[in-house]
Amino acid sequence: ETGVTQTPRHLVMGMTNKKSLKCEQHLGHNAMYWYKQSAKKPLELMFVYNFKEQTENNSVPSRFSPECPNSSHLFLHLHTLQPEDSALYLCASSPGVAGGHEQFFGPGTRLTVL
Amino acid sequence: AQSVSQHNHHVILSEAASLELGCNYSYGGTVNLFWYVQYPGQHLQLLLKYFSGDPLVKGIKGFEAEFIKSKFSFNLRKPSVQWSDTAEYFCAVNAPNNFNKFYFGSGTKLNVKP
Repeated sequence: ETGVTQTPRHLVMGMTNKKSLKCEQHLGHNAMYWYKQSAKKPLELMFVYNFKEQTENNSVPSRFSPECPNSSHLFLHLHTLQPEDSALYLCASSPGVAGGHEQFFGPGTRLTVL
Repeated sequence: AQSVSQHNHHVILSEAASLELGCNYSYGGTVNLFWYVQYPGQHLQLLLKYFSGDPLVKGIKGFEAEFIKSKFSFNLRKPSVQWSDTAEYFCAVNAPNNFNKFYFGSGTKLNVKP
């Protein structure tokens, strides 16, 4: 248990559905991250939040919409996704966004888009 | 753009064999370096990290890594692997002056045969 939880663990959705992924960290960290992990590809950083403020959007399509209501919770709202968006979505947190801080990862949500 | 290369995508070893996994990065400035491990069915977790000082870093479970600045490398080593080391290993780089960016390699799957 890393102190970072993600729900749901698995999600199957159609291209016209709207769903949300949830991440919660119990570590008192100030920074939270969304990553996309696809087979045989490097982890792709999607969004970074520091003290609830978005500090990075790594050219992610608008069909992915993040929300960070407080430093402990992070959401990823999904709508009109494409089959190529199927992947493992990982949430991570760190004490801050300073370069030396390691990131603590959640178990991920396995997303399948039909 | 910064990138991280892991040359071995899949490594198969017998127990007690020695391990070395390669990691090269492309960035000309000061870097922080990490190795993460993902055991089957588990979340990503930190194995070891390098920020500064002694370029030979020791991590958990007998792993170590050596930072060679002139070669832009941070190879992971273990003198004698165990079946329980079967996992996927990810190298990551972060630049201290680019707080929002973590760059991961595509991972190396290690299978240790008992």
